[in-house]
Amino acid sequence: GAVVSQHPSWVICKSGTSVKIECRSLDFQATTMFWYRQFPKQSLMLMATSNEGSKATYEQGVEKDKFLINHASLTLSTLTVTSAHPEDSSFYICSSHSGASTDTQYFGPGTRLTVL
Amino acid sequence: AQSVTQLDSQVPVFEEAPVELRCNYSSSVSVYLFWYVQYPNQGLQLLLKYLSGSTLVKGINGFEAEFNKSQTSFHLRKPSVHISDTAEYFCAVSDRDDKIIFGKGTRLHILP
Repeated sequence: GAVVSQHPSWVICKSGTSVKIECRSLDFQATTMFWYRQFPKQSLMLMATSNEGSKATYEQGVEKDKFLINHASLTLSTLTVTSAHPEDSSFYICSSHSGASTDTQYFGPGTRLTVL
Repeated sequence: AQSVTQLDSQVPVFEEAPVELRCNYSSSVSVYLFWYVQYPNQGLQLLLKYLSGSTLVKGINGFEAEFNKSQTSFHLRKPSVHISDTAEYFCAVSDRDDKIIFGKGTRLHILP
């Protein structure tokens, strides 16, 4: 299957700082990327849909000014958690999609964010 | 709106025994159905998917699932589990929107 990478795999930061997470589609062009967050022992919750060259679409209840998403190229999307707080600590997972409706989404390995 | 219900949060099974992980969905439109596996501290790996055609879908690692439209179910099965199958399993549904809605997951415990 296709390979999607995330960087960093884990990060610890102080409250009030911003953290950027990168999601790269390594072997195909991803017209759409999705960002999810997963709390311990819970399911994945879709945060936003990111289309290359346009603004991201956020799910209800997700603050777009707090979770900044940039999808500047067909192989890279970034999620920046601004002014992070301890309640933002979570496992963030991205997925890539080529755009064809029957294509599978390929998931990255996730980034564990811990805010102290 | 779509939703996915995984009826069991945890399923303990003895090694080499068969297992079934249950999944029911609701949707007003045609859907695509998926099962993903998540090993500890890792991302998701696709086990199998149903898009159309044969209702019995075979996936990786010996897993299979059957799409039952009348019962709105997509249960996952494996005839003989191995200790390495210990993981969290997520059932998911997607429509043409390409958004994937996940169930809450079922933790599979393999007992020696």
